[in-house]
Amino acid sequence: EVQLLESGGGLVQPGGSLRLSCAASGFTFSSHAMTWVRQAPGQGLEWVSTISASGTRTYYADSVKGRFTISRDSSSDSTFLQMNSLRADDTAVYYCAKVRLHPGGDDAFDMWGQGTMVTVSS
Amino acid sequence: DIQMTQSPSSVSTSIGDRVTITCRASQRISRSLAWYQQKPGKAPNLLIYEASSLESGVPSRFRGSGSGTEFTLTISSLQPDDVATYYCQEYNTFWTFGQGTKVEI
Repeated sequence: EVQLLESGGGLVQPGGSLRLSCAASGFTFSSHAMTWVRQAPGQGLEWVSTISASGTRTYYADSVKGRFTISRDSSSDSTFLQMNSLRADDTAVYYCAKVRLHPGGDDAFDMWGQGTMVTVSS
Repeated sequence: DIQMTQSPSSVSTSIGDRVTITCRASQRISRSLAWYQQKPGKAPNLLIYEASSLESGVPSRFRGSGSGTEFTLTISSLQPDDVATYYCQEYNTFWTFGQGTKVEI
């Protein structure tokens, strides 16, 4: 069974940092691009970042570029999102998702984790 | 950047009705479009990819169509379990979502 399990969310002060993790199982992790999507309370879905299957290519939404860093570790089948200089408008549920087939990421997201809540507030 | 615009923003309908949601891209995206269903408090679930391909396990009452800039998601006969918010997403350039369409009964 394909599973994605996020962790690392919580309450952080503006300007602070947080590192999200996503543990994958049930599929060949090294063959799939991975992505993070967020959803602010009561709002729609916003794509945040994607990393290719090889880890050599990364992509970021303009809203997080320069502050967030996506990475992956094949030894633990995990994806990470390092979030720095956090702002109140980063408050959201953060979902990890698996890209369907294309190793570069140009595809739909066919499996999602349950999400982890990040709250940025003083 | 590509903008994805869904209409309507919400629809109130009845069990058994046909529901149609439209998604318009601000530039051509070929058939690089997906549809997702999200129920309250849950993660999104992929319904359709490549504009019209049904994801495994998704009921056949869901149908996607379109190419270029105009796309449609049709639910042929609405069921109680279909109450949810539906999002389109392009993956031709980056991965931009529409603003969502809430389907209520």
